[in-house]
Amino acid sequence: DAGVIQSPRHEVTEMGQEVTLRCKPISGHDYLFWYRQTMMRGLELLIYFNNNVPIDDSGMPEDRFSAKMPNASFSTLKIQPSEPRDSAVYFCASRFGTANYGYTFGSGTRLTVV
Amino acid sequence: GQNIDQPTEMTATEGAIVQINCTYQTSGFNGLFWYQQHAGEAPTFLSYNVLDGLEEKGRFSSFLSRSKGYSYLLLKELQMKDSASYLCATSRGGSYIPTFGRGTSLIVHP
Repeated sequence: DAGVIQSPRHEVTEMGQEVTLRCKPISGHDYLFWYRQTMMRGLELLIYFNNNVPIDDSGMPEDRFSAKMPNASFSTLKIQPSEPRDSAVYFCASRFGTANYGYTFGSGTRLTVV
Repeated sequence: GQNIDQPTEMTATEGAIVQINCTYQTSGFNGLFWYQQHAGEAPTFLSYNVLDGLEEKGRFSSFLSRSKGYSYLLLKELQMKDSASYLCATSRGGSYIPTFGRGTSLIVHP
């Protein structure tokens, strides 16, 4: 199993540009999560999906952020327009069911907005 | 809401024992996670405690006291590779979705 796959690993973009982060969850996992990690705020849940349906997006900072999951093997997190304060590491994670053993994180995308 | 507090940084000596504490105030609490995160890497799952008491898993043990809103992670026989950030996280309701604290950066020196 290749694990949770995120792309790109690093992204540098200019303020105002659109940024799209991608995630491929582990096959068979029915939950997918997007997190953001910064020094100031730690690891924050942005949104999560169950069976491709968004369940809770209360962590999405504002309307500039949107996430989709068109099928069970792919999700995107889009920021439009990007701002310097969006600079962070964005993690995707997946799990099967409401398991109490935690979930598997991808390697993350380090986003820098200049 | 959820409020999780853990020390920002700790240092310890190789071969020693270290205890990383975590206190929380979580409405509807149902369990507590510990994750390990090496610099530049993703968090990895260490443990999940639901019941009061100590759970041992090799060199790592995790303790929970629900009445006190308190947990600790105990690392024995420290190795240099244990230098990492240790994240305490609580879940509530039936979702098992962790809300993370800021993490404790552990530095192990020779």
